[in-house]
Amino acid sequence: DTAVSQTPKYLVTQMGNDKSIKCEQNLGHDTMYWYKQDSKKFLKIMFSYNNKELIINETVPNRFSPKSPDKAHLNLHINSLELGDSAVYFCASSPSGRGPDTQYFGPGTRLTVL
Amino acid sequence: AQSVAQPEDQVNVAEGNPLTVKCTYSVSGNPYLFWYVQYPNRGLQFLLKYITGDNLVKGSYGFEAEFNKSQTSFHLKKPSALVSDSALYFCAVRRLGSNYQLIWGAGTKLIIKP
Repeated sequence: DTAVSQTPKYLVTQMGNDKSIKCEQNLGHDTMYWYKQDSKKFLKIMFSYNNKELIINETVPNRFSPKSPDKAHLNLHINSLELGDSAVYFCASSPSGRGPDTQYFGPGTRLTVL
Repeated sequence: AQSVAQPEDQVNVAEGNPLTVKCTYSVSGNPYLFWYVQYPNRGLQFLLKYITGDNLVKGSYGFEAEFNKSQTSFHLKKPSALVSDSALYFCAVRRLGSNYQLIWGAGTKLIIKP
């Protein structure tokens, strides 16, 4: 059983399009995250939700909108895609987000904007 | 400001030799410290973490890390490297009392040569 899953694994699209990435965790965790990993492999937190409540909202263009329909799902919708949005996006989850909690990562979604 | 430094972009080690991947941190107060590994085209996998107590922490795949408070370091080590250890390694820190957000290092590429 996959603990944190993301779909799709690869996403190739044109500039200006709108796309969504879905994430699901079956670990029973309360907290979920979206990260962006750029071509230099730097990892940047974008958003964090705890029990469907937005906790972290880093400096991300408002073209990016997360949605958490329930605590097992955290989706990422991106409007008006730009070339600079090309990256690998990782979803992660952790039990509570507090203290020494370990974060568990999904396999990533490689987004390529042409 | 809180930060994590991985001073080496890349570490090259011959198979069978001991390896060390360095990490230093700067946080106010006591830290929780983490190591993650990322194999090519995969998500990040948790290796080990320091919470409190014994400064030597043992983790997955034969890795261990030593917490040194005076030097504010948390170096990752393995006595005998395997070619399969070749991957990207990330150090991360969370300050005691802070929630949700991890501060991530830039990553170190470990190359084990046969």
